[in-house]
Amino acid sequence: KQEVTQIPAALSVPEGENLVLNCSFTDSAIYNLQWFRQDPGKGLTSLLLIQSSQREQTSGRLNASLDKSSGRSTLYIAASQPGDSATYLCAVRSGGSYIPTFGRGTSLIVHP
Amino acid sequence: KAGVTQTPRYLIKTRGQQVTLSCSPISGHRSVSWYQQTPGQGLQFLFEYFSETQRNKGNFPGRFSGRQFSNSRSEMNVSTLELGDSALYLCASSLASGTNEKLFFGSGTQLSVL
Repeated sequence: KQEVTQIPAALSVPEGENLVLNCSFTDSAIYNLQWFRQDPGKGLTSLLLIQSSQREQTSGRLNASLDKSSGRSTLYIAASQPGDSATYLCAVRSGGSYIPTFGRGTSLIVHP
Repeated sequence: KAGVTQTPRYLIKTRGQQVTLSCSPISGHRSVSWYQQTPGQGLQFLFEYFSETQRNKGNFPGRFSGRQFSNSRSEMNVSTLELGDSALYLCASSLASGTNEKLFFGSGTQLSVL
C-alpha cells in the first residue's frame, strides 16, 4: 500500500526566502506525482505534474523534482511571497488502479 | 474555460438524513472522482466515474454512492448521515481515466452533520 509523507508539516519563513517542500512515498512504482496548493476551506489548485519518466517540471517560481529510486519529490519555491501562504499537498498515482494517494500537506506561512 | 463546479458550497444536515452533492466537470472532461477531506484523515479517495461507469472505489461504507450522467456531471449521495461524515467533499475532473491524467479540483462542498 502506497504511503505518502510530507515533511515538515508546517513552515514559517520571511518574504523573499527560497524554500523546499518535501514529499516521500514508499512504493517507487509510480505513474506520476502532482503538486497542489490549497487555501483554507477551498479546493486544490494544481501546480505541477511530473510523469514517472520525467525528472523535473518548472512553472514560474516553482520547480518540482522527482527521484523515483529514493521515493522522493521536492517542490522548490523561489523568492517566496505572502501570497504563497497556503497548504501544499503532493499526490502520487500508483498501483493497478492508479488511485491517487495524498500526503497530509505542508502548511506554509510567508510573512512580510 | 469554466473550472470544476461543485454545488452547494455549504450544507448543514442532521444525523440520519441523506445528502446529494453535485459536480460539473470541466467541459470535455469525462472522468470525475470524489474525495473526502477531514483534519484527522486528510484527503481520501471515494470513487471515480468515467463514461457513466464506476472505475474505482475507495474504502468507504456503502452509504456513500455516486453516479455519473451522460453529460459527465456527477452526483454523490450519502445516506444515513453520521457525525463523522462532516468533511469537505471535493470532486476532481480529468480528460480521461488513466495513469497520466492531471486532476483539476472544484472548490468543494463543506458538509456539517449535527
